[in-house]
Amino acid sequence: GAVVSQHPSRVICKSGTSVKIECRSLDFQATTMFWYRQFPKKSLMLMATSNEGSKATYEQGVEKDKFLINHASLTLSTLTVTSAHPEDSSFYICSASSRDGGELFFGEGSRLTVL
Amino acid sequence: GEDVEQSLFLSVREGDSSVINCTYTDSSSTYLYWYKQEPGAGLQLLTYIFSNMDMKQDQRLTVLLNKKDKHLSLRIADTQTGDSAIYFCAERGPGGGNKLTFGTGTQLKVEL
Repeated sequence: GAVVSQHPSRVICKSGTSVKIECRSLDFQATTMFWYRQFPKKSLMLMATSNEGSKATYEQGVEKDKFLINHASLTLSTLTVTSAHPEDSSFYICSASSRDGGELFFGEGSRLTVL
Repeated sequence: GEDVEQSLFLSVREGDSSVINCTYTDSSSTYLYWYKQEPGAGLQLLTYIFSNMDMKQDQRLTVLLNKKDKHLSLRIADTQTGDSAIYFCAERGPGGGNKLTFGTGTQLKVEL
């Protein structure tokens, strides 16, 4: 089946630094990727929709200057958490689909801890 | 607005059936999904149902949809310890695309 891979799976950083998380579709081309944030024992909150070759669409309340999303190719989207703070610590998950309305495949998630 | 609710926790004995419930508010949902999340991992699609169906069975999994009451359930027959995980229901709206609204998640614990 289709595979979506995230890297890194775990990252620890100091406050004020920036962290980049990659999301790759390994065996299909993804025109759209989605980035979610999951708090402990909570549901997934959609942060933004990443469209290949264009700007990401952010959900209400998500700071686009803090969470930079780039979808440079049909197989790669990146989420950069800029000037990270401890409250940005969370589990970030991406998903991708090969076509509009098709099945979504999820990455394994990336756990960010900001000290 | 869209709102998807689930009970937080369910405990069952191995071999029993598990029923996980979900309620949603968007009557125009087109597809409804069940995902499984194991600790520290991403989401795995278990099954889905189209909104004009009321039941779907897939091996040990049975999905029931009551569109009038906006109620969705997932029944797992012969529950095993490997079924212990968090289960999320999700809905897709009528606008197409892949934007899903997820429920709050139900943690299933299977005891010996």
